[in-house]
Amino acid sequence: AQSVTQLGSHVSVSEGALVLLRCNYSSSVPPYLFWYVQYPNQGLQLLLKYTTGATLVKGINGFEAEFKKSETSFHLTKPSAHMSDAAEYFCAVSDRDYQLIWGAGTKLIIKP
Amino acid sequence: DGGITQSPKYLFRKEGQNVTLSCEQNLNHDAMYWYRQDPGQGLRLIYYSQIVNDFQKGDIAEGYSVSREKKESFPLTVTSAQKNPTAFYLCASIGASGDNEQFFGPGTRLTVL
Repeated sequence: AQSVTQLGSHVSVSEGALVLLRCNYSSSVPPYLFWYVQYPNQGLQLLLKYTTGATLVKGINGFEAEFKKSETSFHLTKPSAHMSDAAEYFCAVSDRDYQLIWGAGTKLIIKP
Repeated sequence: DGGITQSPKYLFRKEGQNVTLSCEQNLNHDAMYWYRQDPGQGLRLIYYSQIVNDFQKGDIAEGYSVSREKKESFPLTVTSAQKNPTAFYLCASIGASGDNEQFFGPGTRLTVL
């Protein structure tokens, strides 16, 4: 069975610093990979996704992620954190048809 | 605008009462999902439906029921058999892109008193 691991339930960075949220997955076939963001008491919003093609994927709000097949990773980065980036971030991998396997989420805390 | 609506945003019920959460979409999506979210536990799949009049249990279906009589609607009933129903409930759907990207509603926070 596929699984997704997000390292760190909470990540704290200073405003203006690099954001790095880690995601590793297990998959026997090339996966579809997703990052979603959730603000308090709201639904999830797609940040970016990898399906095929270029392994460096750019998303909304200045985030990007790189698919590394050899490392089975899809880490999310942003060069400079902003206070508005404080939220919970979820990594997901597409399993059999119509299913996503979810990571446990990482709460990003931005220090002023 | 196309999207998914969930109502109400906040719901309070007494213990032992059944309650139905609404989920409606105008995206013309075939597949719809219900998730439960608890602090620190991510998203857990309750039920999903790939087509009208058909649905399957997810990982935590006990104490819940659903129906899918219309493509646009996928209501979730939290029954009195659900031991700990207080949680945030999210509805989602998948379009025809083929990559399983899920679109989410704003969620319903259910509190059982």
